[in-house]
This record gives sequence, structure tokens and C-alpha cells, in this order.
Amino acid sequence: TQLLEQSPQFLSIQEGENLTVYCNSSSVFSSLQWYRQEPGEGPVLLVTVVTGGEVKKLKRLTFQFGDARKDSSLHITAAQPGDTGLYLCAGAGVSPNSNSGYALNFGKGTSLLVTP
Amino acid sequence: NAGVTQTPKFQVLKTGQSMTLQCAQDMNHNSMYWYRQDPGMGLRLIYYSASEGTTDKGEVPNGYNVSRLNKREFSLRLESAAPSQTSVYFCASSGRLAGVNEQFFGPGTRLTVL
Repeated sequence: TQLLEQSPQFLSIQEGENLTVYCNSSSVFSSLQWYRQEPGEGPVLLVTVVTGGEVKKLKRLTFQFGDARKDSSLHITAAQPGDTGLYLCAGAGVSPNSNSGYALNFGKGTSLLVTP
Repeated sequence: NAGVTQTPKFQVLKTGQSMTLQCAQDMNHNSMYWYRQDPGMGLRLIYYSASEGTTDKGEVPNGYNVSRLNKREFSLRLESAAPSQTSVYFCASSGRLAGVNEQFFGPGTRLTVL
């Protein structure tokens, strides 16, 4: 299993603040995805990064894939209460393995609370 | 276009009872997955089906069985439920476009085993 460590585990900030969450591994991934999960619902895909060094923007969210494709970060500018949720990163191995085939390896998530 | 649907949404079982969790997707995806999510443990893969007619074990398969009924449907069965199987269960599907495995999740089934 290729482990993904996410930090911080919990984050509570005020509306308008900026924040960055991290997703780190010692393994190389062919692609990495970020999901957001709201209470009582399933994870929803936000973005996929594939190329080392790649940067993608989704409104106030900026995602970066590390040059070595072992880590990623999510930066939120001017956070809003609607950004509250659990942020999960998930990596796909460089090749299918005998145990999990094409399945993703998920981090444990960063729980974000944005208060007005 | 409903995406991934799961039934039931909530279930309470007694130890030793059996049940089947149903999952269906309408995105014509080849691959389907079952995960469980527990506090502090993240999402853990139970079983997956890379394509219709195939199933394989994931990280935590003990106590579960699966059936890929057709391309749309993938069910998870608990033959003899145990309190350790109290969890939230998510089904997901993916089409592996251009080799990237983007997964789409259902709303989950919240299972309590007493």
C-alpha cells in the first residue's frame, strides 16, 4: 500500500483567511486527485493532476503536484463557509498492482471549518 | 443522469444478521469499487471490479462478498454482520479516461451493527 499523509488533520479558520493543506508520500504516483466531502455525503472530485509540477486552479482553489509526483498541495484563498468539509487526496500508482489493481490510495483527510 | 446510487441509506442490523448493499451507476463505467469509511481511518478499499465479470479483494475484504451483476450494478454482501462492520460504506465507479482513474462516489450507506 502506498501511504498518503495529509496535514494538518484539522483546521479551523475565519472567513477571508488563506490556507494550505498538504498531501505527502514516499511513493511516486501516476496521478493524484483531490476530493471534498461534506457531512453525510460521498466525496466529490475537485481536480486531477498528472504532470510533475502541474498547477491547476479552480476559482479560489489552487492545486499543485510536486515535481517528483510524490506530493501535492491545495491552497484556498479567502476561504468562505461554503469551503467547509473534509478534503481528501488520493493517488494512483504508476502501474496496477496485484492487490488493488487500479484502485486509489486515499489519505485520511484534512477537516476544514470556516466560520463567518 | 443520477451518477452512482446506493441503497439503503441507513441500516441497523443485529450481530449475525446478513444484508446486501446495492450500488448502480449510469455512466457506463467499467470499474466499480466498495469502500468503508471509519473515523480516523480514511477510506479503505474492500473489493473492486475492474471490469464486468471480474472482482478482486482490496485492503479489508474479510467478512464481505461482492457480486458484479452486470456493467451497471455492484453489490456488497455481509453474510454474518459483526459490530466491527459498523461503518459508512461508499460505492464508486470510474471510467479510466486516458489512463486516469477518476472515481465518482455514491451518497453512502450508514450501517450500524448492534
